[in-house]
Amino acid sequence: AQKITQTQPGMFVQEKEAVTLDCTYDTSDPSYGLFWYKQPSSGEMIFLIYQGSYDQQNATEGRYSLNFQKARKSANLVISASQLGDSAMYFCAMREGPTGGYQKVTFGTGTKLQVIP
Amino acid sequence: GAVVSQHPSWVICKSGTSVKIECRSLDFQATTMFWYRQFPKKSLMLMATSNEGSKATYEQGVEKDKFLINHASLTLSTLTVTSAHPEDSSFYICSARVGRQNTEAFFGQGTRLTVV
Repeated sequence: AQKITQTQPGMFVQEKEAVTLDCTYDTSDPSYGLFWYKQPSSGEMIFLIYQGSYDQQNATEGRYSLNFQKARKSANLVISASQLGDSAMYFCAMREGPTGGYQKVTFGTGTKLQVIP
Repeated sequence: GAVVSQHPSWVICKSGTSVKIECRSLDFQATTMFWYRQFPKKSLMLMATSNEGSKATYEQGVEKDKFLINHASLTLSTLTVTSAHPEDSSFYICSARVGRQNTEAFFGQGTRLTVV
């Protein structure tokens, strides 16, 4: 079974509009972390936002927010007021394993977002 | 914020030769670094976890003797692709763990390896 599932291979959004990128995960570990990364065409991976499994509130970082629905095992990324520079691949990832022990990060297959002027 | 520097950003080598890729944490000490491989238009695949002062932990299916990892100091991990073959051509990227949350938040710029 896939640990991280991103069902949208590609998305288009109009500039200045909001967009939601879907991510569902599968784990039996009670303690885990969820991440979103942006990968522009240059290849670098840019950390966007983090949500811990015990965090009560949804994480927010500027125009990025993470819609964390624990019961549904979803961690969707919401980008508000899209900008042309947001065009990139977006990866959802999950870290499992005990703090201080062996931890593994698994990545989804990514969503290619294109912002249209 | 924390910076992870990876070098070189791209390299072309001949089949049968070895290539070393460096991953440095510039402004923090990284006891653990991670090496990933990314195929074109694909997700990142964890290859191994690099631990300072000890042997790396390799993921299933990753050849230890082919992908040598050395983490000799708290700021440097290296990945050496030995006896490179064209199928080793890929994008290799490292990351380092930082912060109390143990979030794996910072990645190197990646290395594009082409074996001819």
